Amino acid sequence: NAGVTQTPKFQVLKTGQSMTLQCAQDMNHNSMYWYRQDPGMGLRLIYYSASEGTTDKGEVPNGYNVSRLNKREFSLRLESAAPSQTSVYFCASSDRSGRAYEQYFGPGTRLTVT
Amino acid sequence: QQPVQSPQAVILREGEDAVINCSSSKALYSVHWYRQKHGEAPVFLMILLKGGEQKGHEKISASFNEKKQQSSLYLTASQLSYSGTYFCGTERWIGNTPLVFGKGTRLSVIA
Repeated sequence: NAGVTQTPKFQVLKTGQSMTLQCAQDMNHNSMYWYRQDPGMGLRLIYYSASEGTTDKGEVPNGYNVSRLNKREFSLRLESAAPSQTSVYFCASSDRSGRAYEQYFGPGTRLTVT
Repeated sequence: QQPVQSPQAVILREGEDAVINCSSSKALYSVHWYRQKHGEAPVFLMILLKGGEQKGHEKISASFNEKKQQSSLYLTASQLSYSGTYFCGTERWIGNTPLVFGKGTRLSVIA
């Protein structure tokens, strides 16, 4: 049981390049999330998927797109990377079937855009 | 709306106690607490629900004042392993809406 996995762990991009961050979970969770973490800013939600087939914008969606490929996988795409997108990206998942739930986070992807 | 955490940072000696606060200007349904060690992913500690239900860590306690929209995390007899950044996440109503996290409180425990 690997939990939430993310690839790659590190990435350096040049301004204008594109890339996709991959996320997968093996806990049969319905909900999945993408966050970015910048120093002093906490965890800010980029996009989330409440269930397979649905996606919604979070607090900071500009410059990103997502795909909920199936129940296990949720990818984040940067179409034209900008230095402001330098950050640590976390994917998370949760089972929202009950009132009390926890989010499980992946190990993160550290992205630098030059 | 992002919850406000206080203090922003705190330094403790082993064995000392600390309280971390999380407050919102809006009515809340639940408050979640997570801890993140340096270079690692956040890890779930506790959830407190409107109505008193709780689920979480054995050695860490928390309270939720529904009227004041405030939650406090109590770290007693702190250990070196308690060091990290603590985040609260809030939900305003039951449903499939995502958590909104505060900016975090950095806790350092020294020997």
